[in-house]
Amino acid sequence: SQQGEEDPQALSIQEGENATMNCSYKTSINNLQWYRQNSGRGLVHLILIRSNEREKHSGRLRVTLDTSKKSSSLLITASRAADTASYFCAYSYGNNRLAFGKGNQVVVIP
Amino acid sequence: DTGVSQDPRHKITKRGQNVTFRCDPISEHNRLYWYRQTLGQGPEFLTYFQNEAQLEKSRLLSDRFSAERPKGSFSTLEIQRTEQGDSAMYLCASSLGLAGGEETQYFGPGTRLLVL
Repeated sequence: SQQGEEDPQALSIQEGENATMNCSYKTSINNLQWYRQNSGRGLVHLILIRSNEREKHSGRLRVTLDTSKKSSSLLITASRAADTASYFCAYSYGNNRLAFGKGNQVVVIP
Repeated sequence: DTGVSQDPRHKITKRGQNVTFRCDPISEHNRLYWYRQTLGQGPEFLTYFQNEAQLEKSRLLSDRFSAERPKGSFSTLEIQRTEQGDSAMYLCASSLGLAGGEETQYFGPGTRLLVL
């Protein structure tokens, strides 16, 4: 199946620290997106990076994309307790279907 | 609230019963997607619609599953003769259908199904 892979899968950090998550994929993509999911709830879209872009910023988020290595990273700077959630990368391919990784669980300790 | 809505939010049913879920997309969005998410996993694509046309179905969508979007607005997902393995969160997403790699899907809160 076309599934992305995130690394690491669980991350525990102190408030104010930065959190970095990586994601890899296996096919040509239209774009790559990162979503956040709080426990048992729906997915919140965070940021989209197109296949011809290398880096993108949105507030405290920074996403990079390396299509030669088929990998992406999400950096959350100056983390807050409210950032505690699961983070998923999802890449768009073919007819814009999304293939998700298993997710990173991030716990920010106040 | 102008986001994607789903109903019901929770459903408990007995094995063998039929269930139907509804999704109301963002009003101007012409694409609608269904995904399924099991515990500890990322969502998996099930099917999608462009307006009222169902354009793609995953192999995960067995013949017990059927989805419709009769007027190109809301969609329903029906599961017949439910099995315990159908227990999952069913997520709906919608999008504008933009080309050029700018397609962003917006997700609803999901319907959590438990089959006893």
